[in-house]
Amino acid sequence: RKEVEQDPGPFNVPEGATVAFNCTYSNSASQSFFWYRQDCRKEPKLLMSVYSSGNEDGRFTAQLNRASQYISLLIRDSKLSDSATYLCVVNMLGRDDKIIFGKGTRLHILP
Amino acid sequence: DTAVSQTPKYLVTQMGNDKSIKCEQNLGHDTMYWYKQDSKKFLKIMFSYNNKELIINETVPNRFSPKSPDKAHLNLHINSLELGDSAVYFCASSPLRGRGTGELFFGEGSRLTVL
Repeated sequence: RKEVEQDPGPFNVPEGATVAFNCTYSNSASQSFFWYRQDCRKEPKLLMSVYSSGNEDGRFTAQLNRASQYISLLIRDSKLSDSATYLCVVNMLGRDDKIIFGKGTRLHILP
Repeated sequence: DTAVSQTPKYLVTQMGNDKSIKCEQNLGHDTMYWYKQDSKKFLKIMFSYNNKELIINETVPNRFSPKSPDKAHLNLHINSLELGDSAVYFCASSPLRGRGTGELFFGEGSRLTVL
């Protein structure tokens, strides 16, 4: 099983729709979770952290289910500018403190 | 004021050559990383340094040698380049280690093409 798995997509979604991405991780000792966004031919940038209680930032909501080792990202009222690749990221704390990226889910918002 | 800067941004070279990519961060972070993003867009960790000490070496061929002269710099030297080395190499830095951080600040990437 891969360390961090995501549906690669692409997700083609009309503007204004709600879209959800999922991510699973294999290491139950993982401590910290994040969503990053990467635009075409650009570097990844932090979108938001994911907390156990769930957290929201404007149109974006992130949730964590430790029992199922599952992370989600919900985007409401999607905009054309939301088109990007969304990367699920897990920090496996420990001696190595590895920050592992999923392969990403591509999102295309259609006008 | 670029926080994490890499040079060069583009590098085209022949198989067998040796090349270096430089990275500098002005954020005062202790931890720096090299990631490789291949043609399938998979971003894979290669190395991690904390305050000039090598922390992570992800079974990268020994043709790849990172060097950290100080905690603000992490350079990557690649010997005997192969076609499969073609990728975008991202440098990143992080403010904390071992405290649950996953916030990485990336450079713009160095696109390496091996012919």
